[in-house]
Amino acid sequence: SQTIHQWPATLVQPVGSPLSLECTVEGTSNPNLYWYRQAAGRGLQLLFYSVGIGQISSEVPQNLSASRPQDRQFILSSKKLLLSDSGFYLCAWSGGTDEQYFGPGTRLTVT
Amino acid sequence: QKEVEQDPGPLSVPEGAIVSLNCTYSNSAFQYFMWYRQYSRKGPELLMYTYSSGNKEDGRFTAQVDKSSKYISLFIRDSQPSDSATYLCAMSAFSGGYNKLIFGAGTRLAVHP
Repeated sequence: SQTIHQWPATLVQPVGSPLSLECTVEGTSNPNLYWYRQAAGRGLQLLFYSVGIGQISSEVPQNLSASRPQDRQFILSSKKLLLSDSGFYLCAWSGGTDEQYFGPGTRLTVT
Repeated sequence: QKEVEQDPGPLSVPEGAIVSLNCTYSNSAFQYFMWYRQYSRKGPELLMYTYSSGNKEDGRFTAQVDKSSKYISLFIRDSQPSDSATYLCAMSAFSGGYNKLIFGAGTRLAVHP
């Protein structure tokens, strides 16, 4: 069966510091991968998606970037965090159908 | 107007009640409809998905889609305290080369003993 991992689970970072969040998927090949952000009391905002290694599409211009160095690895990065980057970051994958499966999330607090 | 509208609640019901959660949408291109359950501080968990208008049942859960009215519902029978969570509806449409999911804001449900 497929599993999706994210780490770290929680992170507290000062404004201006760099960020690296990692997501890995097991038990499937060539998944579509997604990064979402969920602000308190709000729905899910799609940040990036990837249909293959090195193929990244951005949904919202912002302070963040994404990379996919391996088939089942997806990384979310920032060079300098802003206060507004605080939130709950979720990675998801999908196969050949529409439904997406989410990881456990990373709670980021920028201070 | 948002593409997907969902009442945020909170919705508080006694144990054993039938719960009705709803979403409306404006984009007739949406083809695939999903419901996710999200416990506090956890990732969303896929509960049900359906493609066509009509009902789909899975245990205590029934998903209903009315494409003519652009309205979807999730019914929970015999609700339990363990059902207390936020429920997110999601819909997909082919956009930008892939099937993009659009989420509702979520309805917070509390089932009290």
